[in-house]
Amino acid sequence: AQSVDQPDAHVTLSEGASLELRCSYSYSAAPYLFWYVQYPGQSLQFLLKYITGDTVVKGTKGFEAEFRKSNSSFNLKKSPAHWSDSAKYFCALEGRGNEKITFGAGTKLTIKP
Amino acid sequence: EAAVTQSPRNKVAVTGGKVTLSCNQTNNHNNMYWYRQDTGHGLRLIHYSYGAGSTEKGDIPDGYKASRPSQENFSLILELATPSQTSVYFCASGEDTQYFGPGTRLLVL
Repeated sequence: AQSVDQPDAHVTLSEGASLELRCSYSYSAAPYLFWYVQYPGQSLQFLLKYITGDTVVKGTKGFEAEFRKSNSSFNLKKSPAHWSDSAKYFCALEGRGNEKITFGAGTKLTIKP
Repeated sequence: EAAVTQSPRNKVAVTGGKVTLSCNQTNNHNNMYWYRQDTGHGLRLIHYSYGAGSTEKGDIPDGYKASRPSQENFSLILELATPSQTSVYFCASGEDTQYFGPGTRLLVL
């Protein structure tokens, strides 16, 4: 079985602060990990992914994420945050070899100007 | 960039009726996926496909069927729609990175 947990349903920050959205996963082998963003009223867009290699991966819109095998986490980071980063963020896992994708419940991020 | 389209974009159905949601992708991806998005649940996988002729059950397949008649097209079928199937449905394609369609809002009365 595979699962993804995003423990924070809502995060509110001031513009200019550093943001870190938490994601933890459960999977028996090395997973593929992803972050997607959903702006209000829109579909999901790809931000970044970890497949193998460097544990810090950089994505679009200035975001990066760090894969930590020791605690099964893949947290999303950005500094500084901008009001336009306000959106819902989803962490996702793909099991290697089964092509099945599991999403977390999402974190709604609000950046106050 | 991958192009995934869905039709219809909005649908109102009656309980017990048949609903077909269609998805088309133009980037020749083998894998296609159907999800539903509900508040508090994120995206949940209903069915997916590895290629034309194949369909696989996802995490919540009950009440749904899927059809992949070609590389480009992947349909989700609700044979007997129920109000609990009111949701926003997203189609996606991609081998690892997912490219999402715009979504279909389904209301079952």
